[in-house]
Amino acid sequence: AQSVTQPDIHITVSEGASLELRCNYSYGATPYLFWYVQSPGQGLQLLLKYFSGDTLVQGIKGFEAEFKRSQSSFNLRKPSVHWSDAAEYFCAVSRGNAGNMLTFGGGTRLMVKP
Amino acid sequence: GAVVSQHPSWVICKSGTSVKIECRSLDFQATTMFWYRQFPKQSLMLMATSNEGSKATYEQGVEKDKFLINHASLTLSTLTVTSAHPEDSSFYICSAMTENQETQYFGPGTRLLVL
Repeated sequence: AQSVTQPDIHITVSEGASLELRCNYSYGATPYLFWYVQSPGQGLQLLLKYFSGDTLVQGIKGFEAEFKRSQSSFNLRKPSVHWSDAAEYFCAVSRGNAGNMLTFGGGTRLMVKP
Repeated sequence: GAVVSQHPSWVICKSGTSVKIECRSLDFQATTMFWYRQFPKQSLMLMATSNEGSKATYEQGVEKDKFLINHASLTLSTLTVTSAHPEDSSFYICSAMTENQETQYFGPGTRLLVL
């Protein structure tokens, strides 16, 4: 069965600092991978996704993620964090076709210090 | 584009009553919608997959007679929590999938409190 692990429950960074959120997955086939952000009172918003091709994917809001098959990882990065990035971030893997049947990681809550 | 709404955003009900939550795709047609449940400070757990015009597919451990799902049109799916009990209190989130089946777009969620 597929699973997604986000090792860091909470992360605090200073505004302007770089950010990396970790995500490890377990899935037998080629994974379809996603990062979503959840802000209070708002629905989950898709930041980026990886289906195939270039292993470094660019997303919205200046985020990027790199798929590393050898490490079963899909870490999310941002070079300079803004206070508005404070939110809950979820990594997910699809166990169906493309965006179907998502399994989510436990989430990482990001706090940004001024 | 790709906006999904949910109604109501929050609801309080008495134990034993039923509650209906609506999920609408506002600017696209969704042949497939999903219902998730999220407990405080936890991740989303898929409850069921809803396909327009057919019966929903429930995940293991989810009671289909308790969580009734109807997907009568390409833009509307409903989740009815029947005979709600306090342990059903949770945050329920729906999502709708685009026709190319590549991305799920999520609603803002409905917070249910059963007294």
